[in-house]
Amino acid sequence: NAGVTQTPKFQVLKTGQSMTLQCAQDMNHNSMYWYRQDPGMGLRLIYYSASEGTTDKGEVPNGYNVSRLNKREFSLRLESAAPSQTSVYFCATIEGGYFNEQFFGPGTRLTVL
Amino acid sequence: AQSVSQHNHHVILSEAASLELGCNYSYGGTVNLFWYVQYPGQHLQLLLKYFSGDPLVKGIKGFEAEFIKSKFSFNLRKPSVQWSDTAEYFCAVRSSGGSYIPTFGRGTSLIVHP
Repeated sequence: NAGVTQTPKFQVLKTGQSMTLQCAQDMNHNSMYWYRQDPGMGLRLIYYSASEGTTDKGEVPNGYNVSRLNKREFSLRLESAAPSQTSVYFCATIEGGYFNEQFFGPGTRLTVL
Repeated sequence: AQSVSQHNHHVILSEAASLELGCNYSYGGTVNLFWYVQYPGQHLQLLLKYFSGDPLVKGIKGFEAEFIKSKFSFNLRKPSVQWSDTAEYFCAVRSSGGSYIPTFGRGTSLIVHP
């Protein structure tokens, strides 16, 4: 039972390059989230998916796209990376239900040069 | 829209000192409150949560938090910190009036000197 997994763990890109961050969960949770974490800014929501087949913008969606491929997988794509997207990216899930906490993946540390 | 404020951005303590980290939120309706901890190089994990009942909530590793509705606060406490408590601490709130999306505070970095 791996919980929430993310690939890759580290990535260095050049400005303008594209890449996809992968997130998968084996907990059968409905809701999945992508956050970015920057020093002094806490966690900011990029996109979320309340259930399979739906996605919605969060606080900072510009420059990103997402795909909820199935119930298990939620990917985040940077079409044309910019230095401002240098950050640590976390995927998270919630089982559903108002009372439940989020489960986080180990994160992807992305540097854009 | 709901918001979460963590007043202490950086806290430095010696081992055995007492800890209190402040958290205030802005939403006036029913809320669900969380404290998460992120140890160096690791992902966030739940310390404790409140959804109803006793406003004093006990979590893992000796942490507790008190929900004071009149003050919109959910402060985290620990009577005696250890070096292993060095981490970043995040307060989060989910409200009933909306999409149930959690909102996080900016975090408090705690360093405990041995």
